[in-house]
Amino acid sequence: AQKVTQAQTEISVVEKEDVTLDCVYETRDTTYYLFWYKQPPSGELVFLIRRNSFDEQNEISGRYSWNFQKSTSSFNFTITASQVVDSAVYFCALSAVDSGGYQKVTFGIGTKLQVIP
Amino acid sequence: DAGITQSPRHKVTETGTPVTLRCHQTENHRYMYWYRQDPGHGLRLIHYSYGVKDTDKGEVSDGYSVSRSKTEDFLLTLESATSSQTSVYFCAISDGVKETQYFGPGTRLLVL
Repeated sequence: AQKVTQAQTEISVVEKEDVTLDCVYETRDTTYYLFWYKQPPSGELVFLIRRNSFDEQNEISGRYSWNFQKSTSSFNFTITASQVVDSAVYFCALSAVDSGGYQKVTFGIGTKLQVIP
Repeated sequence: DAGITQSPRHKVTETGTPVTLRCHQTENHRYMYWYRQDPGHGLRLIHYSYGVKDTDKGEVSDGYSVSRSKTEDFLLTLESATSSQTSVYFCAISDGVKETQYFGPGTRLLVL
């Protein structure tokens, strides 16, 4: 079965601290895609990154970085020097072919990050 | 940002009434999706469409129907609303089944 686990339901950090949001996935597919989305308090869902299973290079975008490790089926997201504007719910998602042969996107339940000034 | 709008943005309705939510896109993307978001469940797929008049069920499709008569519009209908359908509904679009999904602003529905 296809599954995404975000074990941290809520995290609080003080501004300027670094924080890592964990994402562990399960799939039998060998070609799959991983995503992170941000949902700020205003409610919209903002796409952050897409990664395919053949590209294990870590990526950095400003204060954001992503660590993809196939060996541990993890796609973790780190925010460096957190800011209050980073306060949001972050969703990890997996797109893969399920047991029925259909491409399916599965979302984790989200991690709520609160950055305290 | 992808051009996706949802209407209405907020709705309050009574149990047993039909409700239709509309998703409109200006990106000419082939795939469109309806999700619901509930605490503790993340986003769950209700129905999706892979072309005009081509739709299929997601994991939580009971009590919902969809229609897509034009590329740009994807309608979600709650045939007889129940309190368990109180939720935030998101529409998403993508250019391919493996491509990134972009989301609309959401519709907050309250069924009394």
